Amino acid sequence: QSVLTQPPSMSGAPGQRVTISCTGSSSNIWAAYDVHWYQQVPGTAPKLLIYDNTNRPSGVPDRFSGSKSATSASLAITGLQAEDEADYYCQSYDSSLSSWVFGGGTKLTVL
Amino acid sequence: EVQLVETGGGLSQPGGSLRLSCAASGFGVSSYYMSWVRQAPGKGLEWVSFISTTGTTYYADPMKGRFTISRDNSKNTVSLQANTLRAEDTAVYYCARAQYNVWPNVFVDFWGQGTLVTVSS
Repeated sequence: QSVLTQPPSMSGAPGQRVTISCTGSSSNIWAAYDVHWYQQVPGTAPKLLIYDNTNRPSGVPDRFSGSKSATSASLAITGLQAEDEADYYCQSYDSSLSSWVFGGGTKLTVL
Repeated sequence: EVQLVETGGGLSQPGGSLRLSCAASGFGVSSYYMSWVRQAPGKGLEWVSFISTTGTTYYADPMKGRFTISRDNSKNTVSLQANTLRAEDTAVYYCARAQYNVWPNVFVDFWGQGTLVTVSS
């Protein structure tokens, strides 16, 4: 059971918008620690998509965006493309564990 | 070009040891937090350990006392000594470069391709 909760799977048609949620608790997201997002295409290493809640590294398309509220974070993907089919993970810091933690991951299927 | 290449994975019996190495190029490991993150077969990502620019080390609870992270600035490498291995340590181990803007909001900005560790009798 992951400290950060993500939906196990989501799907969308090409061109659509999907939003992946990451729900935390009082010792991580609610405590105002930043959330970061990674994309992992099956069989490859993860790749940083969003850092510090909303920032995109150089080279990441602006179809990907991150947001954060007091209790959760979200990754939005607009204009869904076949190449977006991958696993997506959120990550933050947990003060009760004194540890960096990942969400369980969301498998995104492009229909 | 930033590159991280892991070596040292393989098969170990329960209770055995392995030493994983990570050769970095395109940057100096002394200037970044360096990390190991693992992924069990078919499972999600799990943070293992960090070593800071000053040499301070951090470990996830399941690894404390069994794993040791170290860095050789002259060779530009990072290592993970994994002892008293258990079946549940079976995973792909990724070497990763990490950084932060405000502590402790550390994130990984570059990942190696990973090395598989299998613990089985």
